[in-house]
Amino acid sequence: GAVVSQHPSRVICKSGTSVKIECRSLDFQATTMFWYRQFPKKSLMLMATSNEGSKATYEQGVEKDKFLINHASLTLSTLTVTSAHPEDSSFYICSARPMGSGANVLTFGAGSRLTVL
Amino acid sequence: KNEVEQSPQNLTAQEGEFITINCSYSVGISALHWLQQHPGGGIVSLFMLSSGKKKHGRLIATINIQEKHSSLHITASHPRDSAVYICAVSFLDSNYQLIWGAGTKLIIKP
Repeated sequence: GAVVSQHPSRVICKSGTSVKIECRSLDFQATTMFWYRQFPKKSLMLMATSNEGSKATYEQGVEKDKFLINHASLTLSTLTVTSAHPEDSSFYICSARPMGSGANVLTFGAGSRLTVL
Repeated sequence: KNEVEQSPQNLTAQEGEFITINCSYSVGISALHWLQQHPGGGIVSLFMLSSGKKKHGRLIATINIQEKHSSLHITASHPRDSAVYICAVSFLDSNYQLIWGAGTKLIIKP
């Protein structure tokens, strides 16, 4: 079946540095990928929709200059947290919709836990 | 407004018990997902439903489109089933984006 790989699964960084998280579809092509964030003891929140070859669509309240999303190929989307701050510490998850599939079909990455010191 | 509600928020049961977690949503959907999140945070996709019922091992997921309700059942529960179970819904008017339930924290005691 379709598999989405997220990397790294855990990352610790210092304040002010940038961190890149990769979301890769391993055996399918994805025109659309979604990035979510989970705050402690809270539900997941959609951050942005990433479309291959075009700019990401960000949800209200999500800073696009802070959370850079690049969907450069049909198998890879990246989320870069720039100038990381401790409040950016969170669990980030991506999902991907296979090209040509129905709208319902989504495959989830296992998630990436970011800790900013 | 597109909303997803899960119940219960927390559930503790003894090993072997039959577990039911519920998910209700507000308007028409294109799909409903059940996911499992382990203490380390890792997400596992369990089911995707748009109608009827699906079964995988000891897990069963059902959806009633008319009632706008889905249930996740675990038969013969085991301590390794302890996790947070999350319902996520793709609404018809949402361009495939997901609205997430708050999750149900399940603890199975040996």
